[in-house]
Amino acid sequence: NAGVTQTPKFQVLKTGQSMTLQCAQDMNHEYMSWYRQDPGMGLRLIHYSVGAGITDQGEVPNGYNVSRSTTEDFPLRLLSAAPSQTSVYFCASSYTLPDRGYGYTFGSGTRLTVV
Amino acid sequence: GQQVMQIPQYQHVQEGEDFTTYCNSSTTLSNIQWYKQRPGGHPVFLIQLVKSGEVKKQKRLTFQFGEAKKNSSLHITATQTTDVGTYFCAGDPRNYGQNFVFGPGTRLSVLP
Repeated sequence: NAGVTQTPKFQVLKTGQSMTLQCAQDMNHEYMSWYRQDPGMGLRLIHYSVGAGITDQGEVPNGYNVSRSTTEDFPLRLLSAAPSQTSVYFCASSYTLPDRGYGYTFGSGTRLTVV
Repeated sequence: GQQVMQIPQYQHVQEGEDFTTYCNSSTTLSNIQWYKQRPGGHPVFLIQLVKSGEVKKQKRLTFQFGEAKKNSSLHITATQTTDVGTYFCAGDPRNYGQNFVFGPGTRLSVLP
């Protein structure tokens, strides 16, 4: 059981480049989310999904796209990278509604720098 | 918009001292969760509180949910170096079940 796997762990992009952050979970979790973590600001929700084929926006969705074609995978696409997107990105999943007491299981994160 | 605040931002304690972090929401929360993130690591779920006035314990950690369900606290008794990390609270203001708003966290340092 690998849990939530994120790739890559580190990435440097030039302004304007696009890329996809990968997230995969092998726990058959229905709920998956992407958060970004910036110093002093906690974790902010970018996009989330309540099941395959269903996605919705979180608090800071601009500049990011997601899709959920399978239960296991929830990639995050940066359309045109900007320095403001320099951050640590966490993918998180939950077996059922996260408020049922199980909480989120987080991946190990992707540290992204945009120059 | 929904605001979840935490104080203090940083706390340095001597090993063996107690530690408390406070979480405050601008709106009533249906429930609140606590997470711990070790330096360089990822957040790990600790506990969820649901009922008004609820108190839960995990060994040296005591979690409390306020009567008005707008604040919460985490208290660690006799800190150890293994307690080092950042503690986040996360609230669900709209009772959707999946959109938790995280506080900025309290970073705890424990001096041996």
